[in-house]
Amino acid sequence: DTAVSQTPKYLVTQMGNDKSIKCEQNLGHDTMYWYKQDSKKFLKIMFSYNNKELIINETVPNRFSPKSPDKAHLNLHINSLELGDSAVYFCASSQRRGQGETQYFGPGTRLLVL
Amino acid sequence: GESVGLHLPTLSVQEGDNSIINCAYSNSASDYFIWYKQESGKGPQFIIDIRSNMDKRQGQRVTVLLNKTVKHLSLQIAATQPGDSAVYFCAENMATGRRALTFGSGTRLQVQP
Repeated sequence: DTAVSQTPKYLVTQMGNDKSIKCEQNLGHDTMYWYKQDSKKFLKIMFSYNNKELIINETVPNRFSPKSPDKAHLNLHINSLELGDSAVYFCASSQRRGQGETQYFGPGTRLLVL
Repeated sequence: GESVGLHLPTLSVQEGDNSIINCAYSNSASDYFIWYKQESGKGPQFIIDIRSNMDKRQGQRVTVLLNKTVKHLSLQIAATQPGDSAVYFCAENMATGRRALTFGSGTRLQVQP
């Protein structure tokens, strides 16, 4: 029944490693997002896909590469992890309505880079 | 760039009192606003939204007020309960164009029993 799910919930890894986070939504939405929440709780958009097409790509290091195999899934791959990548990463989804739309968030993936 | 901000980082209230959480936004082109609640260890949860053609919207125990003249948004929680303790974010976006939400910095609401 979970609307937006993410795996894993916790991810602890060494600097320099490559890791992936997965996201799935069963709401039938056409748009998915990745947000990063830092230690001060500030949430910032990273990427957005609409029907598998990248529509938002904020100033994010190119070590971060999103991939959307279909409109229900949006994964995030991170190469050469750095200490500063430690944060909580949230996936979200919404349906384009042309009049403002609510985004629904997943439970988050807590990434700790050692 | 333009941003959404909150006046108070922490708000402490007694159980049963009403709570008011404020938010200032600077993007005059924003036309859709959302309040989210984030409990510890969880993702942001939708509470209530309001479009720019309205100035007030009520939900169950919550009311959102929008003052476009001074670019101010507030969330009122009636009869605050311990379960309301969380971090509250306001967020804004535009119906057209860029669809990502711009979040404020959050206000922590602490409900004292």
